[in-house]
Amino acid sequence: DQQVKQNSPSLSVQEGRISILNCDYTNSMFDYFLWYKKYPAEGPTFLISISSIKDKNEDGRFTVFLNKSAKHLSLHIVPSQPGDSAVYFCAASATGANSKLTFGKGITLSVRP
Amino acid sequence: NAGVTQTPKFRILKIGQSMTLQCTQDMNHNYMYWYRQDPGMGLKLIYYSVGAGITDKGEVPNGYNVSRSTTEDFPLRLELAAPSQTSVYFCASSSGELFFGEGSRLTVL
Repeated sequence: DQQVKQNSPSLSVQEGRISILNCDYTNSMFDYFLWYKKYPAEGPTFLISISSIKDKNEDGRFTVFLNKSAKHLSLHIVPSQPGDSAVYFCAASATGANSKLTFGKGITLSVRP
Repeated sequence: NAGVTQTPKFRILKIGQSMTLQCTQDMNHNYMYWYRQDPGMGLKLIYYSVGAGITDKGEVPNGYNVSRSTTEDFPLRLELAAPSQTSVYFCASSSGELFFGEGSRLTVL
């Protein structure tokens, strides 16, 4: 019973174009959402987050959109760079859950030069 | 600038052996976590702690034990290693945002 779903295992985009990574969730108690980036042989690193009181959060080239009614969020990377090639995990937590995160399976992004 | 440090980075165990994965953080975070990541899967929470002396089970705690005697340290113990515990283990600490260690790759043969 996956509460956070990243249904596409991989995505390949051309350098300079937009990358759109999607994530769906089922638990209506989730109110905080995060994206983590992971390079091989390293731990995940925090990228960007969004609270359920917002529908958009932007940080440089990275923007996260939240659609609460659809229980869907997406990460946009514009413009994509070869250094963005990594595995991206969507994660979610609920207030009062001791900051415990539920992770999706991850999406492998490849940015072609 | 250590952050979260895990040791060892790699280990091969025989079935039935025991071992401890060490985790220490220098950010004075109260919250600490152990996750495992299996190939093609997301991170699954094994155990977590909200402060020294307090631990609780996560999603997949069977076969593991933890302790939290200090704020800095959160070791994960495997008592009777099984092939199903072959995985990459990540320790993390949190101040709201999770900071992860580099991972410990464990193989049980």
